[in-house]
Amino acid sequence: EPEVTQTPSHQVTQMGQEVILRCVPISNHLYFYWYRQILGQKVEFLVSFYNNEISEKSEIFDDQFSVERPDGSNFTLKIRSTKLEDSAMYFCASRPGQSATNEKLFFGSGTQLSVL
Amino acid sequence: GDSVTQMEGPVTLSEEAFLTINCTYTATGYPSLFWYVQYPGEGLQLLLKATKADDKGSNKGFEATYRKETTSFHLEKGSVQVSDSAVYFCALSDSSGANSKLTFGKGITLSVRP
Repeated sequence: EPEVTQTPSHQVTQMGQEVILRCVPISNHLYFYWYRQILGQKVEFLVSFYNNEISEKSEIFDDQFSVERPDGSNFTLKIRSTKLEDSAMYFCASRPGQSATNEKLFFGSGTQLSVL
Repeated sequence: GDSVTQMEGPVTLSEEAFLTINCTYTATGYPSLFWYVQYPGEGLQLLLKATKADDKGSNKGFEATYRKETTSFHLEKGSVQVSDSAVYFCALSDSSGANSKLTFGKGITLSVRP
Protein backbone atom coordinates (compact mmCIF):
# COMPACT_ATOMS: atom_id res chain seq x y z
CA GLU A 1 0.00 0.00 0.00
CA PRO A 2 1.33 3.51 -0.75
CA GLU A 3 2.80 5.34 2.23
CA VAL A 4 3.35 8.86 3.46
CA THR A 5 7.05 9.25 4.15
CA GLN A 6 8.52 11.63 6.72
CA THR A 7 12.13 12.59 7.25
CA PRO A 8 14.01 12.72 9.49
CA SER A 9 12.52 10.39 12.09
CA HIS A 10 14.30 12.34 14.83
CA GLN A 11 15.51 15.94 14.80
CA VAL A 12 17.40 17.67 17.56
CA THR A 13 17.90 21.42 17.40
CA GLN A 14 18.90 24.35 19.56
CA MET A 15 16.32 26.87 20.69
CA GLY A 16 16.06 29.73 18.21
CA GLN A 17 17.20 27.67 15.24
CA GLU A 18 15.13 27.06 12.14
CA VAL A 19 13.99 23.54 11.34
CA ILE A 20 12.36 22.05 8.28
CA LEU A 21 10.39 18.85 8.59
CA ARG A 22 9.89 16.99 5.37
CA CYS A 23 7.06 14.85 4.10
CA VAL A 24 6.34 13.06 0.85
CA PRO A 25 2.59 12.53 0.60
CA ILE A 26 1.04 9.80 -1.51
CA SER A 27 1.46 10.84 -5.12
CA ASN A 28 -2.14 11.31 -6.29
CA HIS A 29 -3.40 12.91 -3.09
CA LEU A 30 -4.65 16.47 -3.09
CA TYR A 31 -5.07 17.41 0.59
CA PHE A 32 -2.16 17.63 3.00
CA TYR A 33 -1.99 18.11 6.76
CA TRP A 34 0.38 18.60 9.65
CA TYR A 35 -0.50 17.47 13.16
CA ARG A 36 1.63 17.36 16.27
CA GLN A 37 1.58 15.56 19.61
CA ILE A 38 3.38 16.95 22.61
CA LEU A 39 4.36 14.15 24.97
CA GLY A 40 1.38 13.08 27.07
CA GLN A 41 -1.05 15.37 25.27
CA LYS A 42 -3.54 15.07 22.44
CA VAL A 43 -2.70 14.93 18.78
CA GLU A 44 -3.38 18.50 17.62
CA PHE A 45 -4.25 19.81 14.18
CA LEU A 46 -1.82 22.42 12.87
CA VAL A 47 -2.66 23.13 9.25
CA SER A 48 -4.29 21.82 6.10
CA PHE A 49 -3.15 22.57 2.56
CA TYR A 50 -4.95 22.26 -0.76
CA ASN A 51 -4.37 23.64 -4.22
CA ASN A 52 -1.07 25.20 -3.16
CA GLU A 53 -2.47 27.21 -0.32
CA ILE A 54 -3.41 26.87 3.31
CA SER A 55 -7.09 25.92 3.62
CA GLU A 56 -7.26 25.96 7.41
CA LYS A 57 -4.90 26.52 10.32
CA SER A 58 -5.16 26.28 14.07
CA GLU A 59 -4.26 28.84 16.71
CA ILE A 60 -0.99 26.96 17.23
CA PHE A 61 0.07 27.72 13.66
CA ASP A 62 1.38 31.23 14.23
CA ASP A 63 3.85 33.32 12.24
CA GLN A 64 6.72 31.06 13.29
CA PHE A 65 5.27 28.25 11.19
CA SER A 66 5.00 27.93 7.44
CA VAL A 67 4.26 25.18 4.97
CA GLU A 68 5.31 24.71 1.40
CA ARG A 69 4.96 22.28 -1.45
CA PRO A 70 8.09 23.26 -3.33
CA ASP A 71 8.25 20.71 -6.11
CA GLY A 72 4.97 18.82 -6.43
CA SER A 73 6.11 15.88 -4.32
CA ASN A 74 7.44 17.24 -1.03
CA PHE A 75 5.37 18.97 1.63
CA THR A 76 7.41 20.77 4.27
CA LEU A 77 6.77 22.34 7.64
CA LYS A 78 9.18 25.09 8.65
CA ILE A 79 9.56 26.47 12.15
CA ARG A 80 11.54 29.71 11.91
CA SER A 81 12.80 30.12 15.45
CA THR A 82 12.18 27.05 17.55
CA LYS A 83 11.08 27.23 21.16
CA LEU A 84 11.32 24.60 23.86
CA GLU A 85 7.56 24.09 23.68
CA ASP A 86 7.81 23.12 20.01
CA SER A 87 9.27 19.79 21.11
CA ALA A 88 6.76 17.21 19.91
CA MET A 89 6.08 14.44 17.44
CA TYR A 90 5.00 15.97 14.14
CA PHE A 91 2.79 13.93 11.83
CA CYS A 92 2.18 14.59 8.17
CA ALA A 93 -0.98 13.25 6.53
CA SER A 94 -2.63 13.26 3.13
CA ARG A 95 -5.86 12.16 1.50
CA PRO A 96 -7.03 11.70 -2.07
CA GLY A 97 -9.68 14.45 -2.04
CA GLN A 98 -12.28 12.50 -3.96
CA SER A 99 -15.02 13.08 -1.41
CA ALA A 100 -15.73 16.10 0.70
CA THR A 101 -15.94 14.53 4.12
CA ASN A 102 -15.21 11.34 6.03
CA GLU A 103 -12.33 10.44 3.79
CA LYS A 104 -9.54 8.38 5.29
CA LEU A 105 -6.33 10.20 6.14
CA PHE A 106 -3.01 8.49 5.49
CA PHE A 107 -0.39 9.36 8.08
CA GLY A 108 3.37 9.23 8.10
CA SER A 109 5.29 7.69 10.99
CA GLY A 110 6.20 11.09 12.39
CA THR A 111 9.25 13.22 13.12
CA GLN A 112 10.22 13.55 16.76
CA LEU A 113 11.49 17.11 17.23
CA SER A 114 13.51 17.89 20.34
CA VAL A 115 14.37 21.51 21.04
CA LEU A 116 17.20 21.99 23.55
CA GLY B 1 -15.13 23.54 20.25
CA ASP B 2 -15.00 19.88 19.37
CA SER B 3 -13.16 17.56 21.74
CA VAL B 4 -12.47 13.88 22.31
CA THR B 5 -11.78 12.27 25.67
CA GLN B 6 -10.20 8.86 26.02
CA MET B 7 -9.76 6.78 29.12
CA GLU B 8 -6.40 7.04 30.82
CA GLY B 9 -3.80 4.43 30.03
CA PRO B 10 -1.73 2.45 29.59
CA VAL B 11 -3.66 -0.79 29.40
CA THR B 12 -1.99 -4.18 29.81
CA LEU B 13 -3.90 -7.37 29.03
CA SER B 14 -3.18 -11.04 28.62
CA GLU B 15 -3.70 -12.64 25.23
CA GLU B 16 -7.33 -13.60 24.55
CA ALA B 17 -8.66 -11.12 27.11
CA PHE B 18 -11.60 -8.85 26.32
CA LEU B 19 -10.74 -5.26 25.48
CA THR B 20 -12.74 -2.08 25.98
CA ILE B 21 -11.26 1.36 25.40
CA ASN B 22 -13.61 4.19 26.26
CA CYS B 23 -14.05 7.27 24.13
CA THR B 24 -16.50 10.14 24.51
CA TYR B 25 -16.82 13.25 22.42
CA THR B 26 -18.21 16.76 22.39
CA ALA B 27 -19.21 18.25 19.07
CA THR B 28 -21.70 20.52 17.42
CA GLY B 29 -23.54 19.03 14.49
CA TYR B 30 -23.13 15.42 13.42
CA PRO B 31 -19.51 14.36 13.40
CA SER B 32 -18.01 11.22 11.95
CA LEU B 33 -16.11 9.10 14.46
CA PHE B 34 -12.89 7.17 13.96
CA TRP B 35 -10.44 4.91 15.66
CA TYR B 36 -6.85 5.14 14.45
CA VAL B 37 -4.06 2.78 15.51
CA GLN B 38 -0.32 3.33 15.57
CA TYR B 39 1.88 0.25 15.62
CA PRO B 40 5.48 0.69 16.78
CA GLY B 41 7.56 2.60 14.25
CA GLU B 42 4.62 3.24 11.92
CA GLY B 43 2.19 6.05 11.15
CA LEU B 44 -1.38 6.29 12.34
CA GLN B 45 -3.69 3.98 10.38
CA LEU B 46 -7.45 4.07 10.19
CA LEU B 47 -8.83 1.09 12.12
CA LEU B 48 -12.56 1.74 11.74
CA LYS B 49 -15.08 4.50 11.42
CA ALA B 50 -18.78 5.32 11.79
CA THR B 51 -20.48 8.23 10.10
CA LYS B 52 -23.89 8.40 11.77
CA ALA B 53 -25.71 7.47 14.94
CA ASP B 54 -26.09 3.72 15.64
CA ASP B 55 -23.57 2.83 12.93
CA LYS B 56 -21.12 0.13 13.92
CA GLY B 57 -17.60 0.24 12.54
CA SER B 58 -15.63 -2.99 12.51
CA ASN B 59 -12.24 -4.23 11.34
CA LYS B 60 -9.74 -6.92 12.40
CA GLY B 61 -12.09 -8.11 15.16
CA PHE B 62 -12.45 -4.62 16.63
CA GLU B 63 -15.86 -2.94 16.85
CA ALA B 64 -17.21 0.43 17.92
CA THR B 65 -20.78 1.73 17.86
CA TYR B 66 -21.67 5.40 17.39
CA ARG B 67 -23.88 6.23 20.38
CA LYS B 68 -25.34 9.69 20.02
CA GLU B 69 -27.34 9.50 23.24
CA THR B 70 -24.20 8.93 25.32
CA THR B 71 -21.82 10.73 22.89
CA SER B 72 -19.57 7.69 22.96
CA PHE B 73 -17.62 5.49 20.56
CA HIS B 74 -16.05 2.81 22.73
CA LEU B 75 -13.66 0.35 21.08
CA GLU B 76 -14.07 -3.36 21.84
CA LYS B 77 -12.45 -6.62 20.90
CA GLY B 78 -13.47 -9.99 22.21
CA SER B 79 -10.05 -11.63 22.24
CA VAL B 80 -6.88 -9.56 21.92
CA GLN B 81 -3.63 -10.82 20.42
CA VAL B 82 -0.03 -9.84 21.06
CA SER B 83 -0.04 -8.22 17.61
CA ASP B 84 -2.73 -5.78 18.80
CA SER B 85 -0.16 -4.03 20.99
CA ALA B 86 -0.19 -0.44 19.76
CA VAL B 87 -1.40 3.07 20.54
CA TYR B 88 -5.12 3.63 19.86
CA PHE B 89 -6.54 7.07 19.07
CA CYS B 90 -10.19 8.07 19.02
CA ALA B 91 -11.02 10.96 16.70
CA LEU B 92 -13.87 12.90 15.17
CA SER B 93 -14.33 14.85 11.99
CA ASP B 94 -16.67 17.76 11.68
CA SER B 95 -19.11 16.84 8.93
CA SER B 96 -19.91 20.43 8.10
CA GLY B 97 -16.67 21.23 6.36
CA ALA B 98 -14.84 19.83 3.38
CA ASN B 99 -11.51 19.78 5.14
CA SER B 100 -11.78 16.42 6.96
CA LYS B 101 -9.84 17.94 9.83
CA LEU B 102 -9.59 15.44 12.67
CA THR B 103 -9.87 16.17 16.37
CA PHE B 104 -8.04 13.50 18.36
CA GLY B 105 -7.98 12.18 21.87
CA LYS B 106 -4.70 11.63 23.73
CA GLY B 107 -4.32 8.05 22.64
CA ILE B 108 -3.93 5.02 24.83
CA THR B 109 -1.17 2.43 24.78
CA LEU B 110 -2.28 -1.18 24.75
CA SER B 111 0.21 -3.91 25.63
CA VAL B 112 -0.85 -7.54 25.23
CA ARG B 113 1.16 -10.20 27.05
CA PRO B 114 1.54 -13.72 25.62
